[in-house]
Amino acid sequence: DVKVTQSSRYLVKRTGEKVFLECVQDMDHENMFWYRQDPGLGLRLIYFSYDVKMKEKGDIPEGYSVSREKKERFSLILESASTNQTSMYLCAGQGGTDTQYFGPGTRLTVL
Amino acid sequence: AQRVTQPEKLLSVFKGAPVELKCNYSYSGSPELFWYVQYSRQRLQLLLRHISRESIKGFTADLNKGETSFHLKKPFAQEEDSAMYYCALRGAGSYQLTFGKGTKLSVIP
Repeated sequence: DVKVTQSSRYLVKRTGEKVFLECVQDMDHENMFWYRQDPGLGLRLIYFSYDVKMKEKGDIPEGYSVSREKKERFSLILESASTNQTSMYLCAGQGGTDTQYFGPGTRLTVL
Repeated sequence: AQRVTQPEKLLSVFKGAPVELKCNYSYSGSPELFWYVQYSRQRLQLLLRHISRESIKGFTADLNKGETSFHLKKPFAQEEDSAMYYCALRGAGSYQLTFGKGTKLSVIP
């Protein structure tokens, strides 16, 4: 069974803090994605990566960066967290043009 | 630019009634269309994709290129169908999915 895990289910941070969200997949997938999920807005793509050390901006990259040093791990970084980044963050893995498999999500609250 | 529209934020139906969740898309080429579902406290998961032409949990969806639609249907709703449903599109040669804003389905016992 495919597996995508995220480091935390719930996270509370203060404004201005640097925040790391980690995602690990065990499917040997080339492609990994970070989305944020907000009520009434659906899923919006932040960044994706199609290979180690490769990244592409999605629809809403502002205020975020990513890191992919190993194939199985894709990190989302909030350089200086702000209250408008309070959201549910979803990671997904995908092999080629296969379907995307999602992690359980991290609910981030920025105070 | 590609776009996915789900016109209903919330859809309530009685158990045993037919269900239709609407999805319209805007894309100039031949897209690949998906329906994803998220049950309460569970992760987002694929329900079906148009190229597989499968029926999953009694749901079906037909791609209508003339109307640019991919509506999700089920003849008899069950309480366990209550969930958030997202329609998604992937363009030719692309890795990315574009999601609609989602429809929350509530099946009333």
